[in-house]
Amino acid sequence: EDKVVQSPLSLVVHEGDTVTLNCSYEVTNFRSLLWYKQEKKAPTFLFMLTSSGIEKKSGRLSSILDKKELFSILNITATQTGDSAIYLCAVFISNFGNEKLTFGTGTRLTIIP
Amino acid sequence: NAGVTQTPKFQVLKTGQSMTLQCAQDMNHEYMSWYRQDPGMGLRLIHYSVGAGITDQGEVPNGYNVSRSTTEDFPLRLLSAAPSQTSVYFCASSYTRYITGGYTFGSGTRLTVV
Repeated sequence: EDKVVQSPLSLVVHEGDTVTLNCSYEVTNFRSLLWYKQEKKAPTFLFMLTSSGIEKKSGRLSSILDKKELFSILNITATQTGDSAIYLCAVFISNFGNEKLTFGTGTRLTIIP
Repeated sequence: NAGVTQTPKFQVLKTGQSMTLQCAQDMNHEYMSWYRQDPGMGLRLIHYSVGAGITDQGEVPNGYNVSRSTTEDFPLRLLSAAPSQTSVYFCASSYTRYITGGYTFGSGTRLTVV
């Protein structure tokens, strides 16, 4: 059974801190790993990672994938209250016409002013 | 651009009632899917469609039906609602079945079955 596990489940930090969110996976036919940010409503796309060791960066957010150890991390530096959200990790699996995006349970991040 | 539009935003049903959650996208996306999100469970795939006239089951299809008669619309039908179907439902779409830049999600439907 395909599995995506995120840790920690929740995290509370002060504004300005740096945080690291973890995502590990056990799947067959891995194609890519995606990170989403979910505030009040719909998840919004952050990054898609397909290759090991290549950092993707967008402002204060960055992410990297390790396909040997089967995990990814999402870093947020100099956190702001607007970063408070649930961060979802998902793995895209593709096997001859059977494609699926499997999500982890998410990490709830709370930034205290 | 409307993106992915879901209606209704909120719904309360009695056990045994049926209803249809609507999902429409105006981006000419080939791939559409339905997820449910429950506390501590993440998002789980209910049904998906890779194009008009083609649908398939996801991880948790029982109690739900779908159809895809047009590229734009992908309604989700609950045939006989049960309290276990209380959840937040998201519709998501992508240009193709092969993800290149992530899905576009609708804003969700919060369904309560009493």
